[in-house]
Amino acid sequence: QLQLQESGPGLVKPSETLSLTCTVSGGSISSRSYSWGWVRQPPGRSLEWIGSLFNSGAYYNPSLKSRVTISVDTSKNQVSLALSSVTAADTAVYYCTTIGVWWYFDLWGRGTLVTVSS
Amino acid sequence: EIVLTQSPGTLSLSPGERATLSCRASQSVPVSYLAWYLQKPGQAPRLLISGSSSRASGIPDRFSGSGSGTDFTLTISRLEPEDFGVYYCQQYGSSLWTFGQGTKVEIK
Repeated sequence: QLQLQESGPGLVKPSETLSLTCTVSGGSISSRSYSWGWVRQPPGRSLEWIGSLFNSGAYYNPSLKSRVTISVDTSKNQVSLALSSVTAADTAVYYCTTIGVWWYFDLWGRGTLVTVSS
Repeated sequence: EIVLTQSPGTLSLSPGERATLSCRASQSVPVSYLAWYLQKPGQAPRLLISGSSSRASGIPDRFSGSGSGTDFTLTISRLEPEDFGVYYCQQYGSSLWTFGQGTKVEIK
């Protein structure tokens, strides 16, 4: 059974780049064609899609597109998220997910809280 | 961008009661592209329903999804204590994914 675990700094300064890693266990991400997503949730608020990565390319939330990059490192069995020029509005729990056949988020990591503050 | 509006905002019910949650889209959503999730406090969301009506692995049959076009419904036939939390609908369209604002199902 595939498991996802997000990790990264819990505190990031404004204007810096938020970098998170999703470590995949229970299977090799290069052994089959997985699709990946990142979703975030500001404290007390709803879920917000950040971006999705497929073999065919990446799709990003238009409101974040200029600042976001999602990538995969098959040698490390990891999926990464980079969000540049962060502000306090980027404070949220960040979740790594897999994406199912009909574009739903079927497997989720436990999430990691990132606070943007000086 | 398709906006999803969930209602009610909060549903106060007792265990054993029936829950009906609504998700309305600002534009038509193909039934294949509508999903429901449950999030309990301090936990990640969990997929309940995909393709508007297909239960995910391990989801009991008291959960059912229905709807088409712009109106979708999640029904829980008899609430169990573990069903309380916040429910979100989510859609995919034109390479964009959006979530509703959530319906909180709380114990009355």
